[in-house]
Amino acid sequence: RKEVEQDPGPFNVPEGATVAFNCTYSNSASQSFFWYRQDCRKEPKLLMSVYSSGNEDGRFTAQLNRASQYISLLIRDSKLSDSATYLCVVNMGYGGSQGNLIFGKGTKLSVKP
Amino acid sequence: NAGVTQTPKFRVLKTGQSMTLLCAQDMNHEYMYWYRQDPGMGLRLIHYSVGEGTTAKGEVPDGYNVSRLKKQNFLLGLESAAPSQTSVYFCASSNRLAGLNEQFFGPGTRLTVL
Repeated sequence: RKEVEQDPGPFNVPEGATVAFNCTYSNSASQSFFWYRQDCRKEPKLLMSVYSSGNEDGRFTAQLNRASQYISLLIRDSKLSDSATYLCVVNMGYGGSQGNLIFGKGTKLSVKP
Repeated sequence: NAGVTQTPKFRVLKTGQSMTLLCAQDMNHEYMYWYRQDPGMGLRLIHYSVGEGTTAKGEVPDGYNVSRLKKQNFLLGLESAAPSQTSVYFCASSNRLAGLNEQFFGPGTRLTVL
């Protein structure tokens, strides 16, 4: 089983739609969880961290289910500017840096007018 | 603040040639990383550094060497380039607790090895 798995998409949705991305991770000892966003031919940037209690930032909601080793990202009222690839990222909790990040392959979102 | 910068932005090499990619950060971060990103693959860690003068291997270190002589710079070297090293290379930096804080990425270097 791959360490971090995501549905590659693409997800093609109309403006205003609600879209959800899922991610599973294999290491139950994983400590920290994130969603990064990567625009075409650009570098990844942190979108939000994912906390056990779930967290919301405007139109974005992230949730973590440790028992099922599952992370989700919900985007409400999609905008054209949300079109990007969303990377699920997990800190496996080992390594000299006190945790190296493992990146999923990403889920591509395309929001259409 | 420029954040994380990478040079060059693009490069084409012939098989067997060598080159060095330079990463610089002005955020006083302790940790720096080199990743490669290939189509259909997630970002994969090549080497990382937890401080000046220290380096460590990541997931895919073969064919690459690194040096961290100054805190703000992290160099990635290809001694004898191979077509399999055609990729987009990203440098990143973070403060001490990498897992708890975000990594800041440079704009990437697009390398083609013919």
